[in-house]
Amino acid sequence: DTEVTQTPKHLVMGMTNKKSLKCEQHMGHRAMYWYKQKAKKPPELMFVYSYEKLSINESVPSRFSPECPNSSLLNLHLHALQPEDSALYLCASTLTGGEANEKLFFGSGTQLSVL
Amino acid sequence: AQSVTQPDIHITVSEGASLELRCNYSYGATPYLFWYVQSPGQGLQLLLKYFSGDTLVQGIKGFEAEFKRSQSSFNLRKPSVHWSDAAEYFCAVGGLTGGGNKLTFGTGTQLKVEL
Repeated sequence: DTEVTQTPKHLVMGMTNKKSLKCEQHMGHRAMYWYKQKAKKPPELMFVYSYEKLSINESVPSRFSPECPNSSLLNLHLHALQPEDSALYLCASTLTGGEANEKLFFGSGTQLSVL
Repeated sequence: AQSVTQPDIHITVSEGASLELRCNYSYGATPYLFWYVQSPGQGLQLLLKYFSGDTLVQGIKGFEAEFKRSQSSFNLRKPSVHWSDAAEYFCAVGGLTGGGNKLTFGTGTQLKVEL
């Protein structure tokens, strides 16, 4: 199994809603990532978890709250988002997060629309 | 700080023609360089990577890239393009920060293939 699975594939939410994005992998990877990608732009790193501990937070607003319950699962909790937060949210994983040449395995993303 | 520049926003080639996508990087030490491909609404897939050794790197789907330190370049090539190669291509440079593995993407090149 070399897949990173993200659910849901599409999400529409209002600015007062609370929702969560889910990401799962069963490759035994110990590093998991959240990226945000606006249309026609490259992915931008948001968070990195390494061995279930938050290791990188790229100054992301607190309305985005990541969680890593175990080494296979990564969540992104959303609350009070703004329309400009509409984007494709990509999850990825690597073997350890400790080597710069590691291959990132990406999920197909959650397309989020904030109304 | 590490950075990547992809000078071409759009490229159009005829099916069967050769392809070269340009990438220039800025990095203080020996760079870890990657090419990823993204189809619309999908995650990214690794085509190839370089971090040491032979400067000509072979990847999947018939792609190759050549690392040229003197030119700070890592251009992607394919001898004969297929219609299914139409996608967005991202060059990226990897590095370890205090918190873990961080990949910085270029702005991407949109490839269109004419039949």
